[in-house]
Amino acid sequence: ELKVEQNPLFLSMQEGKNYTIYCNYSTTSDRLYWYRQDPGKSLESLFVLLSNGAVKQEGRLMASLDTKARLSTLHITAAVHDLSATYFCAVDSNFGNEKLTFGTGTRLTIIP
Amino acid sequence: NAGVTQTPKFQVLKTGQSMTLQCAQDMNHEYMSWYRQDPGMGLRLIHYSVGAGITDQGEVPNGYNVSRSTTEDFPLRLLSAAPSQTSVYFCASSRHSGYGYTFGSGTRLTVV
Repeated sequence: ELKVEQNPLFLSMQEGKNYTIYCNYSTTSDRLYWYRQDPGKSLESLFVLLSNGAVKQEGRLMASLDTKARLSTLHITAAVHDLSATYFCAVDSNFGNEKLTFGTGTRLTIIP
Repeated sequence: NAGVTQTPKFQVLKTGQSMTLQCAQDMNHEYMSWYRQDPGMGLRLIHYSVGAGITDQGEVPNGYNVSRSTTEDFPLRLLSAAPSQTSVYFCASSRHSGYGYTFGSGTRLTVV
């Protein structure tokens, strides 16, 4: 059974600082996704990582995937208040059918 | 495109009642899934479909039925509602494996 763990679960950080969210998973997979969720809202796709060593960047967010370590990271650079949200990683447990297992999420709060 | 449309947005049921949560997408996506979101537990897969006429169980299928008679629609039926089914339900669709999901706006269900 695929397990997906994120840490930290909660993160408060000051504006302008850098930080990293970690996503570990338990079985072989080379498809990992990052989503953002604002309070009371739906999930928004951020990144799709499809191979070992994949790196994607959008604004102050950068995601990477190491399939050998079964680890993905979401790095936040010079945080701003607008990045406050809950971030989820999700792993495709069976190649080719988009059967995703989600982590429990990281609630990020950016403090002015 | 309307994307993924879920109805209703809010629903209160009495224990033992049945109902259907509707989900429709107009993007001609092959893959569709239903997830439930509970505090502290991330999103858990209920049922998913890789195309019309094909469905399969996810992590928490008990108490729910699905069918996929068309590419566009993927309704979720609660057979006999229980308080444990109080949750936020998200429907999602994907064009193909490796594209990631587009999520609907969610249905907040309360069973009393």
